Amino acid sequence: KAGVTQTPRYLIKTRGQQVTLSCSPISGHRSVSWYQQTPGQGLQFLFEYFSETQRNKGNFPGRFSGRQFSNSRSEMNVSTLELGDSALYLCASSLGETGGNEAFFGQGTRLTVV
Amino acid sequence: SQKIEQNSEALNIQEGKTATLTCNYTNYSPAYLQWYRQDPGRGPVFLLLIRENEKEKRKERLKVTFDTTLKQSLFHITASQPADSATYLCALRYSSASKIIFGSGTRLSIRP
Repeated sequence: KAGVTQTPRYLIKTRGQQVTLSCSPISGHRSVSWYQQTPGQGLQFLFEYFSETQRNKGNFPGRFSGRQFSNSRSEMNVSTLELGDSALYLCASSLGETGGNEAFFGQGTRLTVV
Repeated sequence: SQKIEQNSEALNIQEGKTATLTCNYTNYSPAYLQWYRQDPGRGPVFLLLIRENEKEKRKERLKVTFDTTLKQSLFHITASQPADSATYLCALRYSSASKIIFGSGTRLSIRP
């Protein structure tokens, strides 16, 4: 079956702009999580959605937001971009029902803010 | 707040030897502990999961142990090969509804 798909793969934006990233989970998976990965900070949890509801949230400013649609596809949005937002943004999907399930990651979106 | 630490940023070992990576956590024990492999420019790939009430899990050349007394998990790769070179991430989860917290990873290099 198809894996987790993230679009776009690469993105260059200017400071102050906003960006929307998309994630299509594996069919049947209801949980989608987002992570920011930078060389200095590793994988930082942004938020998790389960059945269209935000279930968990990391310690990121309000400029970072997300949502999940009824088909489990998810989007995350970053407004008023800063240079420090340059990172690899990873989406992961899991069944999300019984817990402990492994997370399946997409290839990520490489965001560069200039 | 909960912290998860992986013992070293980088580990270099000879092909054929056993690689052992360490993951330590603070505070209370997670319900699940997972290990992932990440290659440059790609998303992490799930390897093994071990539950709180399990001591050891194996999968081919991989073995994971979970010691709730030491608050530590060890990840072993036996008969290591250059193709095992990658960054290995430890991750923990406290309940089915909680977020997954990742360690910063250990970059493993296997030299021929």
